[in-house]
Amino acid sequence: DAMVIQNPRYQVTQFGKPVTLSCSQTLNHNVMYWYQQKSSQAPKLLFHYYDKDFNNEADTPDNFQSRRPNTSFCFLDIRSPGLGDAAMYLCATSRSPGLQETQYFGPGTRLLVL
Amino acid sequence: QQQVKQSPQSLIVQKGGISIINCAYENTAFDYFPWYQQFPGKGPALLIAIRPDVSEKKEGRFTISFNKSAKQFSLHIMDSQPGDSATYFCAASCSIFGTGTRLQVFP
Repeated sequence: DAMVIQNPRYQVTQFGKPVTLSCSQTLNHNVMYWYQQKSSQAPKLLFHYYDKDFNNEADTPDNFQSRRPNTSFCFLDIRSPGLGDAAMYLCATSRSPGLQETQYFGPGTRLLVL
Repeated sequence: QQQVKQSPQSLIVQKGGISIINCAYENTAFDYFPWYQQFPGKGPALLIAIRPDVSEKKEGRFTISFNKSAKQFSLHIMDSQPGDSATYFCAASCSIFGTGTRLQVFP
């Protein structure tokens, strides 16, 4: 089945220790998104890649970076995690960046910062 | 102008009842309004979506009503079932989410 896969499902890191979250997709979609979702809150878009073009949301902290080495994979790097970065991180894909495009979400990675 | 306001925050409905969730937006440039369903530990999944050129869209037990002049839209779940218990998010365009409604349907 075509899908969006996120690894790991749960990640524990220490305050200030860099961490990388992984997302892969078999949908061959051009766009990949990263969202942060804190408990009982809506997902908040951090950034997205349209092919190799990186698009950062204006209020995304510099602490968050992303890499997309190929169509299938996209990584979220948190350079120095703080306690406030504990959240569910959701990866999503869409065929194009159009505002009417359906997004397909992965199951998320829950990040705990100790 | 980029916000989508959603209510109620939580909703308890008896099995067989109607669940109604409301959303309001400000930016008239939005032209796509999806609803997502999210179960605990899972990512959101598209449930149903509407474009502002229609006032209602129905898929099975799920109906979106859209009021363009009032800049409001709502999700109606008919004959609500315990399996519908989840968090529902409205959205404008594809990435601006409402604050979510936790729906619990009791037998």
